[in-house]
Amino acid sequence: GQQLNQSPQSMFIQEGEDVSMNCTSSSIFNTWLWYKQDPGEGPVLLIALYKAGELTSNGRLTAQFGITRKDSFLNISASIPSDVGIYFCAGQLTNNNDMRFGAGTRLTVKP
Amino acid sequence: EAQVTQNPRYLITVTGKKLTVTCSQNMNHEYMSWYRQDPGLGLRQIYYSMNVEVTDKGDVPEGYKVSRKEKRNFPLILESPSPNQTSLYFCATGQSIGPLHFGNGTRLTVT
Repeated sequence: GQQLNQSPQSMFIQEGEDVSMNCTSSSIFNTWLWYKQDPGEGPVLLIALYKAGELTSNGRLTAQFGITRKDSFLNISASIPSDVGIYFCAGQLTNNNDMRFGAGTRLTVKP
Repeated sequence: EAQVTQNPRYLITVTGKKLTVTCSQNMNHEYMSWYRQDPGLGLRQIYYSMNVEVTDKGDVPEGYKVSRKEKRNFPLILESPSPNQTSLYFCATGQSIGPLHFGNGTRLTVT
């Protein structure tokens, strides 16, 4: 069953604001991945994290792999209208190659 | 151009009528996987494959079969579909562990 708790479920922000979302779990994960999904399309990989404590940026996006390996966060700075979409975290379980996804954060950016 | 191609995009069928959703990739990726996406639940992994003739169950494998006879193809088979398998299905591929590229999805309705 679902093992990742992603929050918040939804966010309504003004263009230019910073955004933060996170995922937590009771399980340890080997890898954390963050995706964005636009309507009618498949998720697109934004950032991949492979080591505990790792902090990685991709343009205005920054993500971190928690030290405990049970959590991760994604920050988006200076949001723009095209940031609108659903963001998913995903983790790879350490004992196998199973992937678990969060339920998603729906982001709305008001111009 | 990297492509993950799923067919069909939309499918309406009746309970018990066997169906296959195809997935092919042109990136020579070893890892392929299938997910279903339901409102409020995010993506849940059905099956994954680390290489030809190597497949493993994901989080929700019941009612599904897969095969990996060639590296580029990873079909999802529903031997006897039921209404609770109505969902949006995604195929994904990756070079190592974890999905890097997703297809555009197959919306399945079982009546």
